[in-house]
Amino acid sequence: KNEVEQSPQNLTAQEGEFITINCSYSVGISALHWLQQHPGGGIVSLFMLSSGKKKHGRLIATINIQEKHSSLHITASHPRDSAVYICAAIRGGSNYKLTFGKGTLLTVNP
Amino acid sequence: DTGVSQNPRHKITKRGQNVTFRCDPISEHNRLYWYRQTLGQGPEFLTYFQNEAQLEKSRLLSDRFSAERPKGSFSTLEIQRTEQGDSAMYLCASSSGQGYNSPLHFGNGTRLTVT
Repeated sequence: KNEVEQSPQNLTAQEGEFITINCSYSVGISALHWLQQHPGGGIVSLFMLSSGKKKHGRLIATINIQEKHSSLHITASHPRDSAVYICAAIRGGSNYKLTFGKGTLLTVNP
Repeated sequence: DTGVSQNPRHKITKRGQNVTFRCDPISEHNRLYWYRQTLGQGPEFLTYFQNEAQLEKSRLLSDRFSAERPKGSFSTLEIQRTEQGDSAMYLCASSSGQGYNSPLHFGNGTRLTVT
């Protein structure tokens, strides 16, 4: 079992739909990243959070430390949101290196 | 801030050849990481530098792999005697190291294809 598990693996939505991507982890963490990766490889950090909730535009990330679970929500999804979304955990005492989930491929159709 | 720069973007090489990739982190970032990503998988940690010191190295990094960061600025990752299994995207990331709340910045990666 991977230390960081994401679901779903693939997600197809219609433009305007509310999107939720889930991340569960099995180890103690210092913080958790949500990352966006477009075709071609470039990765952008969307959020880094260690508790509670963060919001940026149409994106919302939440984390529940007790339940070892985080979610990424996209409101009013748009075709330009199509990308791979990756959850990555910073393990406690790990020199801040990331342990990644396998990613969720999101396709938003117009 | 010009971002994290990786060169080359793509590298095609024949099995058995040596290859070297370069990463230029954001200036003043003292932490630098190398990750490897194969198709359909999330990235996997390879190695980590704080300034010029290589502080951690993954078991994924066989003896054919070596990484350096000689002056604590740019870093190189060399793969000797490449194998087809080395084909992957090699990603570099850097951060300022101000605790775990410092944002992590990724380069666009170097895609290696070993034929």
